[in-house]
Amino acid sequence: EVQLVESGGGLVQPGGSLRLSCAASGFTFSSYAMHWVRQPPGKGLEYVSAISPNGGITYYASSVKGRFTISRDNSKNTLYLQMGSLRTEDMAVYYCTRRKGTVTTGSLDYWGQGTLVTVSS
Amino acid sequence: QSVLTQPPSVSGAPGQRVTISCTGSSSNIGAGYDVHWYQQLPGTAPKLLIYGNTNRPSGVPDRFSGSKSGTSASLAITGLQAEDEADYYCQSYDSSLSDWVFGGGTKLTVL
Repeated sequence: EVQLVESGGGLVQPGGSLRLSCAASGFTFSSYAMHWVRQPPGKGLEYVSAISPNGGITYYASSVKGRFTISRDNSKNTLYLQMGSLRTEDMAVYYCTRRKGTVTTGSLDYWGQGTLVTVSS
Repeated sequence: QSVLTQPPSVSGAPGQRVTISCTGSSSNIGAGYDVHWYQQLPGTAPKLLIYGNTNRPSGVPDRFSGSKSGTSASLAITGLQAEDEADYYCQSYDSSLSDWVFGGGTKLTVL
């Protein structure tokens, strides 16, 4: 059974940093691209970042480019999102997702339960 | 404002058919990129409902179907049930933005 379990969310002050983790199991982690998607309270879904199966290619939404870094450790079946210079508008539930398919045609076929990041002083 | 436009809400009585539209442009849906649909039940994570415009993952009832034409796509739900009450999101790829894009979401209410 595919499982994605996020951790690392919490309360952080504006300008602060936080690292999210996503532990994957039930599939060959190193064979899949992975995405982070976020959902601000009461709002819709927003793509944040993506990484290729071997970690060599990364993508970022313009809203987080230069502040967030996505990475993965295939030996530990774990995906990461290092978030810096956090703003109040970054407050959201962050979902770890698996991509099935190519960059332009792929869908997000499995989602974690999400971890809440609160940015407030 | 989302790149893909969905109606904020739709509603229908049990047993009825409803459709949810997703309107894009020539840089996303109109460019031929696949449209995917996600269902988010209250208080839960989204779940893949339709992929590749028309395909259902294993376990998704055939009451749910997807279609695509031109710069738009649609999700149809037939035989509406109370447990279908949820938020629905469309998603595609945009070549101008070089980004994955979501619709703003549609809240389905079963009357």
